[in-house]
Amino acid sequence: QITLKESGPTLVKPTQTLTLTCTFSGFSLSTSGVGVGWIRQPPGKALEWLALIYWDDDKRYSPSLKSRLTITKDTSKNQVVLTMTNMDPVDTATYYCAHATHDYGNYRYYFDYWGQGTLVTVSS
Amino acid sequence: DIQMTQSPSSLSASVGDRVTITCRASQSISSYLNWYQQKPGKAPKLLIYAASTLQGGVPSRFSGSGSGTDFTLTISNLQPEDFATYYCQQTYSTPQTFGGGTKVEIE
Repeated sequence: QITLKESGPTLVKPTQTLTLTCTFSGFSLSTSGVGVGWIRQPPGKALEWLALIYWDDDKRYSPSLKSRLTITKDTSKNQVVLTMTNMDPVDTATYYCAHATHDYGNYRYYFDYWGQGTLVTVSS
Repeated sequence: DIQMTQSPSSLSASVGDRVTITCRASQSISSYLNWYQQKPGKAPKLLIYAASTLQGGVPSRFSGSGSGTDFTLTISNLQPEDFATYYCQQTYSTPQTFGGGTKVEIE
């Protein structure tokens, strides 16, 4: 079965760089049509889509955060890494990674498996 | 960015009720629309993808409809385990934006 788990620091200081790792099992990120995305959720607020990397290394970013985000994959390790620079207290949130796939023939993507999330607090 | 607007932002309902949640896109997204359920402290769970396709294992009391800019999630015969927050998401273009959420509470 497919599982994903986020790991990284729980506390970062303002201006620091956050590095989060999504370690997954049950699928390969070299399989056509597959992707892994990052989504965050500030406490008590809505979900926010951040970035997504596809099996062919196509990378998509939220335009509002693009200058601060980098997403990479290590297919051999079954990991996807998200880095976010210049962290600010408003970036305090639970960060999720999720498996992305699409319906057959139409490429309408959706997140069908999610990690448990990791809460990152930005504070000095 | 495509803006996704959900309404209402919250609602109160009773077990057995039929509940309808609406999601409106700021431009046409065809049927690139997904619905998720989230319970407190948990990750979102996929309910419906491609506007109307029920994800495997999801009870048939959940249904989705719509295309273009207007979409609906309907829960018929609301059950105690359905009290949660529901989000729509468009995957027509980047960023794949989510709606603001609809919290379904017990009346």
